[in-house]
Amino acid sequence: AQSVTQLDSQVPVFEEAPVELRCNYSSSVSVYLFWYVQYPNQGLQLLLKYLSGSTLVKGINGFEAEFNKSQTSFHLRKPSVHISDTAEYFCAVRDTGRRALTFGSGTRLQVQP
Amino acid sequence: EAQVTQNPRYLITVTGKKLTVTCSQNMNHEYMSWYRQDPGLGLRQIYYSMNVEVTDKGDVPEGYKVSRKEKRNFPLILESPSPNQTSLYFCASSVRVDGEKLFFGSGTQLSVL
Repeated sequence: AQSVTQLDSQVPVFEEAPVELRCNYSSSVSVYLFWYVQYPNQGLQLLLKYLSGSTLVKGINGFEAEFNKSQTSFHLRKPSVHISDTAEYFCAVRDTGRRALTFGSGTRLQVQP
Repeated sequence: EAQVTQNPRYLITVTGKKLTVTCSQNMNHEYMSWYRQDPGLGLRQIYYSMNVEVTDKGDVPEGYKVSRKEKRNFPLILESPSPNQTSLYFCASSVRVDGEKLFFGSGTQLSVL
């Protein structure tokens, strides 16, 4: 069965600092991986996804993530965050043979001035 | 504007009183899904639908019903709500049946007293 672990429930960071949000997954088969972002009082939006090919994936708003199969990780990074990046970030995984996404518990990114 | 519309945005009810949360999408998507979001648990899938008249259980279907009579609508029905169904609910849709890129509604905050 697929599962996702987001190791940090909250990440405080100062504006213009780099940030990494960690995500590890568990699956017995090949996977597709996703990061979604939820701004306050809104639904989730797709930030980026890994389906195949290059392990470094670039998304919207300057975010990128790297798929590491040996470490079963898909960490999200941004070299310089803005106040507007304050949101909750969800990692999600889907086994290639399944139709449903499994979401992690979320990481709240709090960008401080 | 392409969107997923949920109603109502907030709902307070009492135990046992049947309720329906509506969901409509205007993107002609085949795939639709319902999630509930609880603190520390992330999003968990309740039901999903791959097309009209095709629905299937997600991870937490107990106490919920759905129907897909039209492509654009996917209502969530709680026939006898209980306090443990107090949660934030999201409807989502996707072009592809594998739910690769989900578009989310703004959410329905349900409180069952």
